[in-house]
Parts: sequence; C-alpha cells; structure tokens
Amino acid sequence: GENVEQHPSTLSVQEGDSAVIKCTYSDSASNYFPWYKQELGKRPQLIIDIRSNVGEKKDQRIAVTLNKTAKHFSLHITETQPEDSAVYFCAAGSNYQLIWGAGTKLIIKP
Amino acid sequence: SQTIHQWPATLVQPVGSPLSLECTVEGTSNPNLYWYRQAAGRGLQLLFYSVGIGQISSEVPQNLSASRPQDRQFILSSKKLLLSDSGFYLCAWGERPLGEQFFGPGTRLTVL
Repeated sequence: GENVEQHPSTLSVQEGDSAVIKCTYSDSASNYFPWYKQELGKRPQLIIDIRSNVGEKKDQRIAVTLNKTAKHFSLHITETQPEDSAVYFCAAGSNYQLIWGAGTKLIIKP
Repeated sequence: SQTIHQWPATLVQPVGSPLSLECTVEGTSNPNLYWYRQAAGRGLQLLFYSVGIGQISSEVPQNLSASRPQDRQFILSSKKLLLSDSGFYLCAWGERPLGEQFFGPGTRLTVL
C-alpha cells in the first residue's frame, strides 16, 4: 500500500540552531502535504501545509519544501526555541485521505 | 466557533467486551469526519472516514466499525475487543477532504 517514511525518528538540536525533518511518499498522485505538531499530552495541530503546485512555503520560522519529482518534502525550523519541543508528523494526501509518517520527536537542548 | 468532543477520555475494557466511542462536532455542518488510532510513539493510522451521513470508508481491515447516524456525530464500535485494540483513538473533522484537520482530545483505550 501507499506509505510515507519520515526521518529522523528523534532529533536533538541546540536552542537557536535549525532543525530539518524529511519525508518521502510513494503515491505519485499525492497533492497535499501538511505538517502537524503534537505537544506532550495534547492533540495534533496543523503548523504548515503545502500543495503540489508550490515548491516552497514559509511562515515565520517554519518552512516546507516539496520536490515532486523525487517525492519528498521537508520541514525546516530556524532559530529553534524550547517551545518547539514536540513530535512532528508529516502526511501526504490524495483523494480523501492522508497517509501519515511515524513522527519525529524534536528535542531542543538549552 | 467550531469544537469537537470525544468521550470517554479513558476506558479500560476486558477482552471480548463491546466498545462504543463517540465524537461530536459543533459549529459546522457537513464536516468530513475521521477516526484515527495512535500507538505509543507512533504515527496516526486512519481507521475510517466519512464525507456524509451514512457514508463510511474503511482504510484498514480490523475488528472495528464506524457509523455516522447524524451529520455531526461519528461513532467507533466493536462487538468484541481484542488486546490489539488498545491504543489512543482520535477523532478529527475537516471542512474539505484535503485540508486542515481538527482533532478531538482523544480516548485512551486499554484492553485487558
């Protein structure tokens, strides 16, 4: 079946440094790529998304890039802060459903 | 504004017992509704989605079923729980099939 692979599973960065999380997808019909953040004990929340007609999207310290030819997309967080500590999920969507990555636990070291 | 409710928050059930988890959405009409299961330290597995009353699509063969008796009500059921049904169940809604999904607080199910 279709799947989304997400790497790394855990990422530890120094406060102020950048963090990059990468995902690859298998369904070439995918055209919607959201990223969700799930803080400990809370529900997932959308932080940024991109559609297949766009190669990059930025929102303050967060950016997502998409390479449809290679079927991969990435989340970039610059100037990381303690409140960025969470689990981040990517997903790839086509038709009515999203296929989710397994998640990346981001740890921000003080 | 829109809100999504799930109950119960936690549930401990014996193997072989039935299950009914309820999800309701307020403040919107004809939402797309989703049931997910999240295993510890893992991603989200889509179990069911619904684009309208009585319309249910299943993504994974399993011991569970879903129903949508009303526009803003989504129910996850089982006739006989298995140990492998333990997990964190999340309901979500969205305005369109591929757009932002808003998650409920979740139900932590433990099957003993």
